[in-house]
Amino acid sequence: DAKTTQPPSMDCAEGRAANLPCNHSTISGNEYVYWYRQIHSQGPQYIIHGLKNNETNEMASLIITEDRKSSTLILPHATLRDTAVYYCIVTTVQGAQKLVFGQGTRLTINP
Amino acid sequence: NAGVTQTPKFQVLKTGQSMTLQCAQDMNHEYMSWYRQDPGMGLRLIHYSVGAGITDQGEVPNGYNVSRSTTEDFPLRLLSAAPSQTSVYFCASRGTGGRNQPQHFGDGTRLSIL
Repeated sequence: DAKTTQPPSMDCAEGRAANLPCNHSTISGNEYVYWYRQIHSQGPQYIIHGLKNNETNEMASLIITEDRKSSTLILPHATLRDTAVYYCIVTTVQGAQKLVFGQGTRLTINP
Repeated sequence: NAGVTQTPKFQVLKTGQSMTLQCAQDMNHEYMSWYRQDPGMGLRLIHYSVGAGITDQGEVPNGYNVSRSTTEDFPLRLLSAAPSQTSVYFCASRGTGGRNQPQHFGDGTRLSIL
């Protein structure tokens, strides 16, 4: 049973911000939200993770709602190379080596 | 700066043959995992290891064996290949230091069983 819900596909124009939503209404207090992406058939690439505070790194920003039941991954200036499948995963510290991947969101960046 | 290295990148087997998929990491990570990905699906965990000499089953362990004799290597063995094992296999490693280290994935082994 999936712990997260993501839209199957999204489109975004190149240069615009891409906002990818994720619902995780059953998240527990000790579970983190992780985001990975998979470009074409390569191995998944870690993007960002957070517990309850918003996070930002060189790749993206993660906005987690105050009740922690949903989050949004933001790619601030999407490029064609950001076209990929994006996976939102919730897990504990102990479970972070046993990731459960859902279907993810297929993000297409259009020129 | 190799990270996680998987060999071979491609392999074709006949039903009933055996083979070992190799995975090596040079980051001194304690945790290592094997996943498989079928077409149009997310990754599913096969086996994982929390350190040398320690392994455990994931979601889809049947038909696969693993061992972890060193920190660096985590081979995955198919004892008698079946067409249902046609898939892309990814190995991953994860460190234990710092704040919730993420997993680092290899580029995958594409395996076809005829």
